[in-house]
Amino acid sequence: DGGITQSPKYLFRKEGQNVTLSCEQNLNHDAMYWYRQDPGQGLRLIYYSQIVNDFQKGDIAEGYSVSREKKESFPLTVTSAQKNPTAFYLCASRDPSTTGELFFGEGSRLTVL
Amino acid sequence: RKEVEQDPGPFNVPEGATVAFNCTYSNSASQSFFWYRQDCRKEPKLLMSVYSSGNEDGRFTAQLNRASQYISLLIRDSKLSDSATYLCVVREVPSKIIFGSGTRLSIRP
Repeated sequence: DGGITQSPKYLFRKEGQNVTLSCEQNLNHDAMYWYRQDPGQGLRLIYYSQIVNDFQKGDIAEGYSVSREKKESFPLTVTSAQKNPTAFYLCASRDPSTTGELFFGEGSRLTVL
Repeated sequence: RKEVEQDPGPFNVPEGATVAFNCTYSNSASQSFFWYRQDCRKEPKLLMSVYSSGNEDGRFTAQLNRASQYISLLIRDSKLSDSATYLCVVREVPSKIIFGSGTRLSIRP
């Protein structure tokens, strides 16, 4: 089945450690997105990529980094510079040639102890 | 000013009621508009796209007013299963997609 796979689903890390969240899609979509969601709040855009080897900062990019070396993959690194990394992280992809619907993975819950 | 603003609610209404959500956006060049639904601790799912002419899908009606930069969602004959958070979503050019903070809806029997 086509879809988006995020891993790990749950992750615990000590303060000061970098952590990388995986996002893989087999939908052949060009555009991919990372969002952060805090309890009781909406999604905030971290980074997005319209095409391989290109990405743009979203509204809350500080303390995060991404790469887009392959169409299928858009990993997100939460660095030690991110002051409040504990959150629910959602990856999505979109086929720009259609209605623009976002397809989401199931998310990764990061807890920094 | 937030790029996409919604009333956070919560809205608590009885089954069978009609409920309306509103959303405003700040970027007049925004291209596409959507309503997503998110259940607790799950990923958002597309409810419907929003077109300038207005569109309807069963009990759900969405409207867009580009002049006022305003989007609405109307749910008629609400069901218990409609309880969720409803997210207003705007695509700016070319590919930046922004979510509102969501409106929580709770339907009571």
